[in-house]
Amino acid sequence: GNSVTQMEGPVTLSEEAFLTINCTYTATGYPSLFWYVQYPGEGLQLLLKATKADDKGSNKGFEATYRKETTSFHLEKGSVQVSDSAVYFCALSDRAGAGSYQLTFGKGTKLSVIP
Amino acid sequence: GAGVSQSPRYKVAKRGQDVALRCDPISGHVSLFWYQQALGQGPEFLTYFQNEAQLDKSGLPSDRFFAERPEGSVSTLKIQRTQQEDSAVYLCASSLDGATNTGELFFGEGSRLTVL
Repeated sequence: GNSVTQMEGPVTLSEEAFLTINCTYTATGYPSLFWYVQYPGEGLQLLLKATKADDKGSNKGFEATYRKETTSFHLEKGSVQVSDSAVYFCALSDRAGAGSYQLTFGKGTKLSVIP
Repeated sequence: GAGVSQSPRYKVAKRGQDVALRCDPISGHVSLFWYQQALGQGPEFLTYFQNEAQLDKSGLPSDRFFAERPEGSVSTLKIQRTQQEDSAVYLCASSLDGATNTGELFFGEGSRLTVL
């Protein structure tokens, strides 16, 4: 079956530090890969995505590259801000029954950025 | 509103009670998903609707869980005879078209269920 493993948190960084959150996956097909973010008091929202190998997703200064050879999709940001404090979820989407696509999530990594 | 709306935001139930959780998806969104998120875990798939048709309910943990979307918009997740292990946040998400592999789901803020 499909699964996603991401580094456990919490992660605490100082403002302007470099961020990496590791994510690896197991899938039977050719999944699309995603990072979702949950800010305090808000619902999950899509941060970035990549739909095929070697694609790079990027948004709000965050980047992740779909690496098929290492089955990874690590999230990076060069300089974090206090406003990036949130829980980050790595996820994959693969074909499920009846033509639908189902998201499989990792456990989430809580990031706290301190001034 | 513009986003996915869920109610109630918080529900405390005594063990054995029935609960109903409501989801109002984004207008015009064909697909609707329910996920369960236990404390410290990622969301786990429960069920999927395309319009009013429930096309996948493989993630429902037991026959105490039932979901419906009779008119293809609002959905209700019902849990009968609640147990303590049902305590979790129940997330609803919608998308314009669940048949495409975009993965861009729009989530509500969730309904936090606590079973005493």
